[in-house]
Order: sequence, then structure tokens, then C-alpha cells
Amino acid sequence: AAGVIQSPRHLIKEKRETATLKCYPIPRHDTVYWYQQGPGQDPQFLISFYEKMQSDKGSIPDRFSAQQFSDYHSELNMSSLELGDSALYFCASSSPRGRNGYTFGSGTRLTVV
Amino acid sequence: AQSVTQPDIHITVSEGASLELRCNYSYGATPYLFWYVQSPGQGLQLLLKYFSGDTLVQGIKGFEAEFKRSQSSFNLRKPSVHWSDAAEYFCAVGPNTGTASKLTFGTGTRLQVTL
Repeated sequence: AAGVIQSPRHLIKEKRETATLKCYPIPRHDTVYWYQQGPGQDPQFLISFYEKMQSDKGSIPDRFSAQQFSDYHSELNMSSLELGDSALYFCASSSPRGRNGYTFGSGTRLTVV
Repeated sequence: AQSVTQPDIHITVSEGASLELRCNYSYGATPYLFWYVQSPGQGLQLLLKYFSGDTLVQGIKGFEAEFKRSQSSFNLRKPSVHWSDAAEYFCAVGPNTGTASKLTFGTGTRLQVTL
């Protein structure tokens, strides 16, 4: 079965650089979520999109922005990167109403040096 | 606001022993409840979920969980643990609003299995 695809799997950036993370949801899933998981931490919700519109916003820094495109894939753009942005970034998708559960991608490990 | 508490940060069990991981939630109505497992550096794999109906939910890898409304709990159990079960386990809650909404995770329980 198709899963949530995230790219890249690993990314190394320097401070103050920008990064773009991509997420391709499961086909027919219309909702995409972004989570950030720091070392030894639980996943923290950043932002979500439903039918290409932002549906909810969590603790996402102003330096970050995201969008969902017409093919339902989503991109998380991160600018002016800081050392503290180093984390695993997960994308999840769900079907309408979320009743089939939320399927997570394998994550993008971002390291800021 | 919804919240999840996993009281046990770290649990060690012997292979073959039974396991129970605790999860308590706070939510105004009946929530959607999930258990995920995460191996180091890996993604989150869904073990099982509860939406409604039978309060005892069966999941993958021999896991089960029981929703107890009166105790606001959704504890995860396995009768016989295997060494490959060593991982981080997260309980999560989502609002039962009929629309897909974000999940709130507990802080996780790290399971260590001794041989």
C-alpha cells in the first residue's frame, strides 16, 4: 500500500540558510499535518492543511511557512535556520474525518550546523 | 484543550513477560485515541486506534489497548514481549469532531527488553 513519502530523508544546512521539506500524502488523503520532533521529545504539531487551505496552526515559528498544492503534496519552508531547528520533521496525512488514522511518513532529519 | 499523560518515562521488562503501558488523556468528550511505536531515528508506526464501539482494541504485533472512559485511560498491553518490541511508544489523542484534526502526543514511554 502507498505510504506518506517525505523528501529528503536527511538534510544538513548551515545557520541562516533555508530548507524546503516535501511531503506526498497517501492518495485520496486530503489533510496533511506537519510535526517537529526534537531529540528525546514527543512530536509537536506545527501546521495542517485541508483541501489546500491551512486548517490549524500550532507552535510554528514565523520563520517557517508551508502550503499544500493542487496535487495535495505539501512543502514546509524554513528560513534563517537556527541550531535549535535541528530535529526530525514528520508529515502525516489522513482521510476525511481522520477515521482511518493518521499515517506518518518516515520523516526528514534536519541538522543545522 | 486535549492532553495526554504517559506516567512512565522508561520501562524495562524481560522477554516473554507481559507489558502494560499507561496512557491517560484529558478531553471533554470521547476522543480518538491512538498508540504509535517509534524505533530510534525512525518514523511513527500506528499500532492501533480507538474511535468508538468495542472498548478493547486489537492492533498489530500482538498489541491491544482498552479504552476506559471512567478512568480516562487507554492503556496498551501485550501478553508476551519480544526483544524486537524495544522502542519508544507514544499515546496520542485527537478530537472526535467528525473532521480530521491534529493529534496531541504524550511524552512517550521508552521500552527496554532484557533477554
